[in-house]
Amino acid sequence: EPEVTQTPSHQVTQMGQEVILRCVPISNHLYFYWYRQILGQKVEFLVSFYNNEISEKSEIFDDQFSVERPDGSNFTLKIRSTKLEDSAMYFCASKGELYNSPLHFGNGTRLTVT
Amino acid sequence: RKEVEQDPGPFNVPEGATVAFNCTYSNSASQSFFWYRQDCRKEPKLLMSVYSSGNEDGRFTAQLNRASQYISLLIRDSKLSDSATYLCVVSTGGGNKLTFGTGTQLKVEL
Repeated sequence: EPEVTQTPSHQVTQMGQEVILRCVPISNHLYFYWYRQILGQKVEFLVSFYNNEISEKSEIFDDQFSVERPDGSNFTLKIRSTKLEDSAMYFCASKGELYNSPLHFGNGTRLTVT
Repeated sequence: RKEVEQDPGPFNVPEGATVAFNCTYSNSASQSFFWYRQDCRKEPKLLMSVYSSGNEDGRFTAQLNRASQYISLLIRDSKLSDSATYLCVVSTGGGNKLTFGTGTQLKVEL
């Protein structure tokens, strides 16, 4: 069964550094997402991406965040200047074209900002 | 009112018990509904979609009540391996944004 893959599985960075989290969505999916989950809290929507542009973003997704689909397979989340409160699990997800298609999640990247 | 609301639990039940989880959502225009399961420190995994007429998958039954904006999940004959957090997920904002509830934690005990 095709799956969403994320790298790295764990990233440790110092406050103020830039990080790039990488994802390879399922190949025939058209909608791509980033969610995050702070330890012990709910899964929170960050951003959705369709047709090479952001279709929706949450208030968490401020100017420090950006997403890119640099080629036909990768989907990246960049955090320009990390803060301690950015420490969380970041999940990439993708879904098919139908409005009622479910999200398929990657294994996540655990980001630790020190 | 929160977009998607669930009782956080935990629900501690003996093996073999039947347990029901509820979820309410605020956006009456929501079209897609799902139950996901999340194990500790893992990604959410789709358990089942929820259809208007209700649907069943083995020991799991999902129901949707649009009038009350309410979704339920029933687990029959619960197993130790059912211990996890169950997440209610609802489409908002045009159908392609999916919003998660806080999750309900289930612990099945011997």
